Amino acid sequence: EAQVTQNPRYLITVTGKKLTVTCSQNMNHEYMSWYRQDPGLGLRQIYYSMNVEVTDKGDVPEGYKVSRKEKRNFPLILESPSPNQTSLYFCASSSHRGSENSPLHFGNGTRLTVT
Amino acid sequence: GDSVTQMEGPVTLSEEAFLTINCTYTATGYPSLFWYVQYPGEGLQLLLKATKADDKGSNKGFEATYRKETTSFHLEKGSVQVSDSAVYFCALNTGNQFYFGTGTSLTVIP
Repeated sequence: EAQVTQNPRYLITVTGKKLTVTCSQNMNHEYMSWYRQDPGLGLRQIYYSMNVEVTDKGDVPEGYKVSRKEKRNFPLILESPSPNQTSLYFCASSSHRGSENSPLHFGNGTRLTVT
Repeated sequence: GDSVTQMEGPVTLSEEAFLTINCTYTATGYPSLFWYVQYPGEGLQLLLKATKADDKGSNKGFEATYRKETTSFHLEKGSVQVSDSAVYFCALNTGNQFYFGTGTSLTVIP
């Protein structure tokens, strides 16, 4: 089954404790991206990747890191989480390098709480 | 910059009522336009899309027409069902990035 898999689904952590949210897709998609969803703000893009070893900042990259060492994986790293990073996070992927004709496929989300 | 503005919710309708959710966009070039739906506890799913002016996307009784002259992509359904209760997002893609509206929550009551 074609899917984007994120782990964990829920995560509660404390300020400053490094964490990684994993994302994997089995559709051989070139394009992958991370979003955060906050009430009243919709989805905002954190980082995206057009292919292996190619990553770019989205609209809200501060406090986050990503890597794309393999085509299928695109982990999101918070090296020193803060309470304002409490949010619902989505990973997504698409084919054709994010071309205009390719819709995004989303994971089921990771709800992160930073205390 | 590129952006999407969609009608604020929440919207509450009775079953079989007509639905319109407004969406307008600002973009350079010729974006593709999408509507996504999010059910509780799930990720976003593509509902429909349109890739050029005057295209009509449709799926599950929902429709939206890409209007370049009014920069709009309004979502419509003639007769909503309880199972349509969800959050709906309008989005555009200009190649490298996707931009989403803030989402409109729809509740359909029997």
